[in-house]
Amino acid sequence: SQQGEEDPQALSIQEGENATMNCSYKTSINNLQWYRQNSGRGLVHLILIRSNEREKHSGRLRVTLDTSKKSSSLLITASRAADTASYFCATGLNQAGTALIFGKGTTLSVSS
Amino acid sequence: GAGVSQSPRYKVAKRGQDVALRCDPISGHVSLFWYQQALGQGPEFLTYFQNEAQLDKSGLPSDRFFAERPEGSVSTLKIQRTQQEDSAVYLCASTNDPNSYEQYFGPGTRLTVT
Repeated sequence: SQQGEEDPQALSIQEGENATMNCSYKTSINNLQWYRQNSGRGLVHLILIRSNEREKHSGRLRVTLDTSKKSSSLLITASRAADTASYFCATGLNQAGTALIFGKGTTLSVSS
Repeated sequence: GAGVSQSPRYKVAKRGQDVALRCDPISGHVSLFWYQQALGQGPEFLTYFQNEAQLDKSGLPSDRFFAERPEGSVSTLKIQRTQQEDSAVYLCASTNDPNSYEQYFGPGTRLTVT
């Protein structure tokens, strides 16, 4: 079973535009992460936000977390063609070393 | 340094065959995870090792799936009597700290069962 649900399932934008994807989850969490997966490759960690944080930035990435609504959003600003990929949110549970639980992902396509 | 590597990258098996998928984690990484990713889906957890100990195998879909990490480094995921529903990408990930939630993923092995 999958914990998170990303929205939208697919997103197409032009280079330079911003891309926003949302993630909802079901149970209480210790942290939430976002990963990127390029076609045919493994996942790459983008950013982690802890349950006591509300917003975090990393370069062109901005992540928010609302634990009361059990939701998170990932904003990519000034998108580039190289941002074309699938994006997954993943939640980590309280126990150390517990596996990640992924959503189904948002497929982002950035055209030049 | 080298990342997580997996072999083979692609595997085609006839239904009923046994397969073995290998994962070489980043050197020194204590924790190792296996995930299964079906087409168009997110990865789903299969099993977790801390060093050579398999601490969680709750995600293994059936007793045809078996994983080992005998010396606490390289891990092998074995699938016996493969079925078509086993077709998926199998991802391996490792972390250097059991308390670290950021995982480093390999490129995966794409298994196709015909």
